[in-house]
Amino acid sequence: DIMMTQSPASLSVSPGERATLSCRASQSISSSLAWFQQRPGQAPKLLVYGGSTRAKDVPTRFSGSGSGTDFTLTITSLQPEDFALYYCLQYNNWPPWTFGQGTKVEI
Amino acid sequence: QIHLAESGGAVVQPGTSLTLSCAASGFTFNEFPMHWVRRTPGKGLEWLEWVAVLSQDGNNSYYADSVQGRFTISRDNSKNTLFLHLNSLTPADTAVYHCTRGTRGGFFGGFWGPGTLVTVSS
Repeated sequence: DIMMTQSPASLSVSPGERATLSCRASQSISSSLAWFQQRPGQAPKLLVYGGSTRAKDVPTRFSGSGSGTDFTLTITSLQPEDFALYYCLQYNNWPPWTFGQGTKVEI
Repeated sequence: QIHLAESGGAVVQPGTSLTLSCAASGFTFNEFPMHWVRRTPGKGLEWLEWVAVLSQDGNNSYYADSVQGRFTISRDNSKNTLFLHLNSLTPADTAVYHCTRGTRGGFFGGFWGPGTLVTVSS
C-alpha cells in the first residue's frame, strides 16, 4: 500500500499570509494526487486533482504542485474561511486509495 | 445538480450489524463507480479512510483491509442507491460514513454526501 505523509501536522498562520502544506508518497504516484479541505462537521471539499488542477469554483489562491512523490498545496493570502483541515489523497495505485493524516491550518 | 444523501446511521452495540444507504440524483448513476469513505474524529483532526468501492455494474468491489470480510458494498441501479452493509461492528468503526462518486480512472471525491454517523458503543 502507498503511504501518504503530510507535514506539518498543524500550521499557525495569520490572515493574509501564505500557507504551504506538503504531502509525500511512499512511492511514485505520478500526478494522481488530490487535495481536500475539511471543515468540522462537513464533507470534504475537493480543491485540487491531478496534482495541480484546481477544481471547479475553487479560488485561485489555492494552488497545487508536484509530481512523483512530493506535492505541495499553497494557499496565498489566507482568508478566515480557509482555516480548516487539509488532506491529500493518492489515486494512482489502488486498492486501497490512501489519504494523508491531515494538516490543520489554524490562526 | 448532483446530490448524494446518506442515511441509516445509528448508535449500535459492538458485534451488531447495520446497513447504510446513499441515494443519488442528478447524474446517470449506473455509469459511475461509487465509494464509501469514513471520517473518524480524533484529537483536533478527523481521519479520513477509504472503505470500499463498487463498479458501475455492481460486479467488482474492493475493500480496505480494516473492513474486509465484515462490510459489503452493493448497489441498486434501478433505484439509484448505494448500500454499505456493516457486520461485526467494533468501536473502531465509529465514524461518519460518506458516499462519493468515482470515475473509471480511479479518482473520486468530486461529489460527496453529508454523511451519516455510526456510533458503536456498549
